[in-house]
Amino acid sequence: DAKTTQPTSMDCAEGRAANLPCNHSTISGNEYVYWYRQIHSQGPQYIIHGLKNNETNEMASLIITEDRKSSTLILPHATLRDTAVYYCIVRVISLSTQGGSEKLVFGKGTKLTVNP
Amino acid sequence: DGGITQSPKYLFRKEGQNVTLSCEQNLNHDAMYWYRQDPGQGLRLIYYSQIVNDFQKGDIAEGYSVSREKKESFPLTVTSAQKNPTAFYLCASSSKAGDSNQPQHFGDGTRLSIL
Repeated sequence: DAKTTQPTSMDCAEGRAANLPCNHSTISGNEYVYWYRQIHSQGPQYIIHGLKNNETNEMASLIITEDRKSSTLILPHATLRDTAVYYCIVRVISLSTQGGSEKLVFGKGTKLTVNP
Repeated sequence: DGGITQSPKYLFRKEGQNVTLSCEQNLNHDAMYWYRQDPGQGLRLIYYSQIVNDFQKGDIAEGYSVSREKKESFPLTVTSAQKNPTAFYLCASSSKAGDSNQPQHFGDGTRLSIL
């Protein structure tokens, strides 16, 4: 029941920018878009998240379209160590009598391979 | 360094045995989570806890149990009732439950296999 759609795989040359697209056409107004990556046999690593505005940190940039129906994760200078599965996730909020909590609904992600 | 520690990294279980997976965090986070990942699949939520002494079932809680006696610890027990326990188990935490502007951070996982 993932709310996002991503390409199954992508390739990128080392040193070039990697642009990973994600569609989330059913996103609600208060739902954040999160990006994680997972290297084989490790836990997912948080990369970046955003609501409406574009965001940038030391790892990547996140571009969200004005209608919020899609986004792009940009790794500006991909290295071999960026080879991983990248997950685009819409944060799902559920509320209980003791407050709120949320789960991350992971789809199958995009397998990014950075080539020398 | 602050972070989430899961142990052991690899665990083997005989049929009919209960096993407990450890998850400790020193991030002072209120919320903790357990996910299961099967090969080629996304993560599925097993249990989560918003505060000490409280926890809620996730999407696939059957055959699992948890406790949250301390803020920093959220152990998961895989019971003999779980018929297909072989999987990669991931623990996560976030600073405040219900705040979608706070990311969940993950440990490096425990890989459980049946002998």
